[in-house]
Amino acid sequence: SYEPAQSPSVSVSPGQTANISCSGDQLGNRYVSWYQQKPGQSPILLIFHDSERPSGIPDRFSASTSGNTATLTISGTQAMDEADYYCQAWDTRNYVVFGGGTKLTVL
Amino acid sequence: QVQLQQWGAGLLKPSETLSLTCAVNGGSFSGYYWSWIRQSPGKGLEWIGEINESGSTHYNPSLKSRVTMSADTSKKQLSLTVRSLTAADTAVYYCARGGSGWHGIDYWGQGTQVTVSS
Repeated sequence: SYEPAQSPSVSVSPGQTANISCSGDQLGNRYVSWYQQKPGQSPILLIFHDSERPSGIPDRFSASTSGNTATLTISGTQAMDEADYYCQAWDTRNYVVFGGGTKLTVL
Repeated sequence: QVQLQQWGAGLLKPSETLSLTCAVNGGSFSGYYWSWIRQSPGKGLEWIGEINESGSTHYNPSLKSRVTMSADTSKKQLSLTVRSLTAADTAVYYCARGGSGWHGIDYWGQGTQVTVSS
């Protein structure tokens, strides 16, 4: 079965830029979304349609997709951004699939 | 503002059937796919499947044989049934708006802890 791959963990210093990657076969031909989940909470949609932000999501969150890799970028990372991040891909064959998740630590 | 309120039995025995319901408050029920997603302890998100107001469903192939979803448009409610439970089905189950398409999954329920144990 298809499952995008994510690095289990990423560490970043406050104020720096964090890049979280998601890779999978022909990911560029699928629609990619990104979610943030803090402990004990439901996930929040950060990015949809590869790079669009829902209203209310700070512009320090951005994303892009190229080839087989999608990247979520958090600029000026804050302590409150410490969370798990999931990519999610959709296509007409596999429907919805989530990546394994990346734990972001803000040191 | 869309709110998803979900409920159902939280403690079940192996071989039993899980039944969860999710009520959609605010917003339109039509025009969207509605997904069920679960998260095992300490693990990532797993999409179970989706349904729209017409009853069209798509299921995760790994769960398809044990899962049934339904939608009651008059009540704006969704239901999930998972049969033949094992300990591996222990998870927090979420209902959510979205699934198929480029829109992402934008509203999530509060989650229901389901534990399968003898």
